[in-house]
Amino acid sequence: AQTVTQSQPEMSVQEAETVTLSCTYDTSESDYYLFWYKQPPSRQMILVIRQEAYKQQNATENRFSVNFQKAAKSFSLKISDSQLGDAAMYFCAYRSVGPNNAGNNRKLIWGLGTSLAVNP
Amino acid sequence: DSGVTQTPKHLITATGQRVTLRCSPRSGDLSVYWYQQSLDQGLQFLIQYYNGEERAKGNILERFSAQQFPDLHSELNLSSLELGDSALYFCASSATEGHEAFFGQGTRLTVV
Repeated sequence: AQTVTQSQPEMSVQEAETVTLSCTYDTSESDYYLFWYKQPPSRQMILVIRQEAYKQQNATENRFSVNFQKAAKSFSLKISDSQLGDAAMYFCAYRSVGPNNAGNNRKLIWGLGTSLAVNP
Repeated sequence: DSGVTQTPKHLITATGQRVTLRCSPRSGDLSVYWYQQSLDQGLQFLIQYYNGEERAKGNILERFSAQQFPDLHSELNLSSLELGDSALYFCASSATEGHEAFFGQGTRLTVV
């Protein structure tokens, strides 16, 4: 079974600085998706970034980028120019690709999260 | 706004009671997933429906059940509630061939 591990329960960063959140996972599958979700105090689960395992290029979304190391099964999130609004819980999640038929189970397997504080 | 609507946002009930949580997926999304987020166990997958049919089950208790209706909205029924059922329950939906899931704002259930 697949597992996702986030080894940093809490992190903090100064406003405008850069921070990296760690995530490792375990799987025997060769193709899968990895995600970072953000959960602010509002509790809404917001997709931050997505990475397909078959792509070697690291995904980037504005100030958010990932360092995807497939062989090491590592998927870290880098937040550049941190803003106060980035303060939230960040969850790393794994999803199997599954068979190519409609409705196949695309459940997410989650890490326990990293609480990020942004200091002004 | 993700387009996924969950009601109610908050629910407080007593042990032994039964509650129903409701989810309306994004327009056009056929898959609905239910997740439970508790403090000690993080996010756990409960169950998935696709176009009205159950497709996958996760760590869902026998006291819990769900269904997806012809209009694609879904309900999660929790019965014989215990203190340990207190959690945030999320609904998510995804398109047939979509890669990511879009989440509702969750229902905060408190069992007293």
